[in-house]
Amino acid sequence: EPEVTQTPSHQVTQMGQEVILRCVPISNHLYFYWYRQILGQKVEFLVSFYNNEISEKSEIFDDQFSVERPDGSNFTLKIRSTKLEDSAMYFCASSERGSPATNEKLFFGSGTQLSVL
Amino acid sequence: GDSVTQMEGPVTLSEEAFLTINCTYTATGYPSLFWYVQYPGEGLQLLLKATKADDKGSNKGFEATYRKETTSFHLEKGSVQVSDSAVYFCALSRRALTFGSGTRLQVQP
Repeated sequence: EPEVTQTPSHQVTQMGQEVILRCVPISNHLYFYWYRQILGQKVEFLVSFYNNEISEKSEIFDDQFSVERPDGSNFTLKIRSTKLEDSAMYFCASSERGSPATNEKLFFGSGTQLSVL
Repeated sequence: GDSVTQMEGPVTLSEEAFLTINCTYTATGYPSLFWYVQYPGEGLQLLLKATKADDKGSNKGFEATYRKETTSFHLEKGSVQVSDSAVYFCALSRRALTFGSGTRLQVQP
């Protein structure tokens, strides 16, 4: 079965540094998402992306965050100046035709564990 | 706002035991409800879903019924296997998925 691929699986960075998390969604999917899970807490929605623009974002997704689909296959999440509280597991997801609002199935990657020191 | 509450884990069971993982939700209207599962080293996978009240979702021996009156979507399986060991996430859908915190299930042989 096709799968969503995330790299790296673990990333360690210093507070204040920029970090880019990378994802390769399933090739024929049109909708892309980032979620995160802080240790012991809920999986939280960050942002959804369709047709080369952000379609939804949560209050977590502030000016420190940005997303990009630079080349038609990768989907990246950039955190401009990392804070300690950004330490979390970040999940990328994609869906084929629609969003959760239309009950579309999301396919998730295995996550990138970001540790900010 | 919308929220999902799951029973805390870890849940440890012996093989062939009956499983219940409780999930309740708070939402306006009637969202669709989902169970996702994360096996070790893998991403979250859709396990089952129900899109309206009284619907029963089922897959791989797991079942959950959308109960509007109790705002619940409890996950059940009659006989668990070691291979069911994973983290289970309850979720509801609006424009984005709203997840619970996950429940780790450990099944011992």
